Amino acid sequence: ETGVTQSPTHLIKTRGQQVTLRCSSQSGHNTVSWYQQALGQGPQFIFQYYREEENGRGNFPPRFSGLQFPNYSSELNVNALELDDSALYLCASSLDSSGANVLTFGAGSRLTVL
Amino acid sequence: KQEVTQIPAALSVPEGENLVLNCSFTDSAIYNLQWFRQDPGKGLTSLLLIQSSQREQTSGRLNASLDKSSGRSTLYIAASQPGDSATYLCAILTGGYNKLIFGAGTRLAVHP
Repeated sequence: ETGVTQSPTHLIKTRGQQVTLRCSSQSGHNTVSWYQQALGQGPQFIFQYYREEENGRGNFPPRFSGLQFPNYSSELNVNALELDDSALYLCASSLDSSGANVLTFGAGSRLTVL
Repeated sequence: KQEVTQIPAALSVPEGENLVLNCSFTDSAIYNLQWFRQDPGKGLTSLLLIQSSQREQTSGRLNASLDKSSGRSTLYIAASQPGDSATYLCAILTGGYNKLIFGAGTRLAVHP
């Protein structure tokens, strides 16, 4: 299978709730990165997983956490949702974690927090 | 702290025009620079990747240049078409892992 798929495409939550977003990486890609894109802004790096371990993190609090599984799938979990968490969440996969390879992005999951 | 700025924020041009999108960054110690396209409500499509040792890359009607010393990159689009309408994002890779630092993008509209 080619490409990166994300689910759900849209969801609405209320403040204080928890959310899990899912990503299926391109086959053979052992690295996944997650980005948050607020409306009208460029994406912001949340963290990266390589071989099921977090190996890089941006300026996001611990209530943003992730998992990566051996079958090229991964999750982004956000606890205690805040209004400012409303954004498009993008997953990107790559062949490795070196930064030398092009990232393949999914279409994103749009989260609205009310 | 690396910052990426894109100018203009929005651009509207008639079909057929050649145009230039600008990207500037504050720290010249970059690993590579990438240009992406984003259609409304969609993910990112990689257009061009320029390694730090390169000066430019070309793909079809697109040409991207990189001048590390001045902290600038340009994306040149030749003979623009309505299908080119999208947001174009510039991103810098500064470290040894996949942490891209993005600009806010240039929203391009090409009208017939």
